[in-house]
Amino acid sequence: QQQVKQSPQSLIVQKGGISIINCAYENTAFDYFPWYQQFPGKGPALLIAIRPDVSEKKEGRFTISFNKSAKQFSLHIMDSQPGDSATYFCAASGTSGTYKYIFGTGTRLKVLA
Amino acid sequence: SAVISQKPSRDICQRGTSLTIQCQVDSQVTMMFWYRQQPGQSLTLIATANQGSEATYESGFVIDKFPISRPNLTFSTLTVSNMSPEDSSIYLCSVAGQGQPQHFGDGTRLSIL
Repeated sequence: QQQVKQSPQSLIVQKGGISIINCAYENTAFDYFPWYQQFPGKGPALLIAIRPDVSEKKEGRFTISFNKSAKQFSLHIMDSQPGDSATYFCAASGTSGTYKYIFGTGTRLKVLA
Repeated sequence: SAVISQKPSRDICQRGTSLTIQCQVDSQVTMMFWYRQQPGQSLTLIATANQGSEATYESGFVIDKFPISRPNLTFSTLTVSNMSPEDSSIYLCSVAGQGQPQHFGDGTRLSIL
């Protein structure tokens, strides 16, 4: 019940395309869902986050779509660029974003030039 | 967001020895977390370290193996004790202020010979 399932494991997208990464959870107590971007040799960096009271949040080329009834959320990267090539992790937290996170398994994105 | 410094950035250690990893933040934070990340894998929470209280360890991690200190609101250490090759991993520190998301350092890459 504490798992966060992430798919796909890897993704190859052409430059300018849309990258879509999906996550699903079971614990309805989760109330904060961040996405992190990690480049090789670096720590994860917060990209965008959402709470269950909204169905979508957009920041630049990055959008989170949230489906509370299905217990699913996804990251959309519009106009994907080679610089977006990284590993992306979704996460879920149960206490207003300050408590421990449960991370998904990660998606390795490669954007072809 | 907070600037998080981890030392050392990498190390190669002998089996049976111990290594202490430091995490320094440039501002006071409520919560500090220690994670382990195998190369190419997701993040696994080792423990939560709050100032003024004992660290809270996750299932599978024990204080004798991973003692943690949190002497003030800007600093924490994680010691990996009696190391074996199975402890080879990336160790990450993250911090969170009240009501704020977690931010990560760049990690310590540890190899055990």
